[in-house]
Order: sequence, then C-alpha cells, then structure tokens
Amino acid sequence: GAGVSQSPRYKVAKRGQDVALRCDPISGHVSLFWYQQALGQGPEFLTYFQNEAQLDKSGLPSDRFFAERPEGSVSTLKIQRTQQEDSAVYLCASSLQTGSSYNEQFFGPGTRLTVL
Amino acid sequence: DAKTTQPPSMDCAEGRAANLPCNHSTISGNEYVYWYRQIHSQGPQYIIHGLKNNETNEMASLIITEDRKSSTLILPHATLRDTAVYYCIVRATYAGNMLTFGGGTRLMVKP
Repeated sequence: GAGVSQSPRYKVAKRGQDVALRCDPISGHVSLFWYQQALGQGPEFLTYFQNEAQLDKSGLPSDRFFAERPEGSVSTLKIQRTQQEDSAVYLCASSLQTGSSYNEQFFGPGTRLTVL
Repeated sequence: DAKTTQPPSMDCAEGRAANLPCNHSTISGNEYVYWYRQIHSQGPQYIIHGLKNNETNEMASLIITEDRKSSTLILPHATLRDTAVYYCIVRATYAGNMLTFGGGTRLMVKP
C-alpha cells in the first residue's frame, strides 16, 4: 500500500520567504510527527499530532514554525520568514497505534529545504 | 528517554554478519529498545524492537543483555543495500512519544 508521502521533495527559498511543506500520512494513522534533520545529524523532533489535535510542539525552534492538521489527515508545516539555519531535511512520520509496544513510525522521504 | 551510545562507524564485508552494538546503561523498566536505519536520501525505516527478550524478524535479530544495559543488532548476511546509518533508540511506548535519534552508526558494507 501507499506509504507516507511528502511534497515537494526539494524546495529552494530565498531568505525571508515563507514556505509550506506537505505531508500525506498513511490512511487511518492517528499519530503524525514532524522531524528536522540537519546535514550529518540524526532527525530531531519538532511537533506531534493526534488526529487534528497538536499535542506537543515543544520541538519547534521558533514562532516562525507553524504546523497544522485540520482534518486529522494531511499535515502542513509552514515556516515564515525563512533563515539560512532553517536549511534541513524535514521528515514526516505517521503511526497507527495509540500506546502499544508496537509503536512503529513510518517515515516519508522528506523535503530538503535550502534557504539561500 | 534514556540516552544511547553507538560507535560512529563500522565496516562489514558483504555476506558476513554485521553486529552493531548499543549501550543504554540508564534504561528504565518501561523502556523498549528500538532500531531504525536510514539509507541515504530516504527517511528512517523501522527494523526491530524489544523489551528484554531476544527478538528476530525477517530483517534482523536483536540481542538484549540480561541487565538490559546494552544490546546488539545483528544483520545475519549483510548486503550492499544494508549500507546505512543505524540508530538505536530507547523509549517508553505511549502515544505521542517521539523518537530521539542520536548520532547512530554509519555501517558501510563492502564487496
């Protein structure tokens, strides 16, 4: 079946531009996560949704970062007034379960954002 | 979640077993050991997880020491396609618990 998809795969933005990154999770998955991965490092947590509710946004680096999932399916990560330090791969992951040990997160391919 | 320590890189000959170690000395009783890997230009992929018993699936085996302070991921017959960064993650399983990735081990499988 279809996995997690993200678009665009690559985005180049000029410093100061706003960008919107889309994530289509696996159908029926309740949980959705966003991660940021800088070059050469492991992914770092940004925010978490359970259905349409954003339950944890502790990893968002600044108030320029905003995420939404209005209908509990597709999610959008928006970055306002992009800065060079925002350059990274943005990964989306979804999972079905709600607390069992089999807590596998399925990741999309990521969106590589380059801010010039 | 408990912190993990992994060697930054390892080499393995194609067809041989790859044994990737992970130390997690501060693991607590309700925390599981998860392994993910990330092939270049792809998102991380789940491999296996366990609590205290050894686990095996079609991808790998996970050996957890009796005191649970360390574990080893075993790829029994490594192929070139297993070249990736392997992440050992310790976490409690509840809804919304994010994955905390460390630096991982960069495994290079060589012909």
